[in-house]
Amino acid sequence: QQQVKQSPQSLIVQKGGISIINCAYENTAFDYFPWYQQFPGKGPALLIAIRPDVSEKKEGRFTISFNKSAKQSSLHIMDSQPGDSATYFCAASWGSNYQLIWGAGTKLIIKP
Amino acid sequence: DGGITQSPKYLFRKEGQNVTLSCEQNLNHDAMYWYRQDPGQGLRLIYYSQIVNDFQKGDIAEGYSVSREKKESFPLTVTSAQKNPTAFYLCASTLDRHNSPLHFGNGTRLTVT
Repeated sequence: QQQVKQSPQSLIVQKGGISIINCAYENTAFDYFPWYQQFPGKGPALLIAIRPDVSEKKEGRFTISFNKSAKQSSLHIMDSQPGDSATYFCAASWGSNYQLIWGAGTKLIIKP
Repeated sequence: DGGITQSPKYLFRKEGQNVTLSCEQNLNHDAMYWYRQDPGQGLRLIYYSQIVNDFQKGDIAEGYSVSREKKESFPLTVTSAQKNPTAFYLCASTLDRHNSPLHFGNGTRLTVT
């Protein structure tokens, strides 16, 4: 059963545009929602993490929004740059459970 | 610099052979994890360990084995029983508390022919 559904699977955006990636969570017990960025041939690295009591968190050009009632989260990348081309993963965990449930990933390509 | 070292980066084996992937961390993290990554499927948990000499199966443990004899090291053996071993393997570590971020190594790409 897929508890974290991520979309789209792939995304092409022109340089300077806005990239939007979505995640839907099926488990209402989730209370920690990290997003990871992975460049080819590298391991993922934490981008931003959010908790359900926060509706939005911003790190430079990257913003995560969270809708608790809809059980959805979105990653927005403003002024997208070719260096943002990577695979992005959303994930979730709950309570004292240290394991993350991962989305399937979104391959983002920023065209110069 | 602290981090996680996975070696080798590329590994080639013949079908029927066991192979061991190395993972070492100097972050003084308690918990360590092994994930398998296949295109379009995200990360799937193979095994994890929260303390030395203890480890737990993840979602896809069949055909794999691990050991945790030292805090810094968490090697993964891909056995001949693993039906489809060709994949990208990622090791990660974290402080053993809720909401601690995972730190990943740069992976080992295993090809079995």
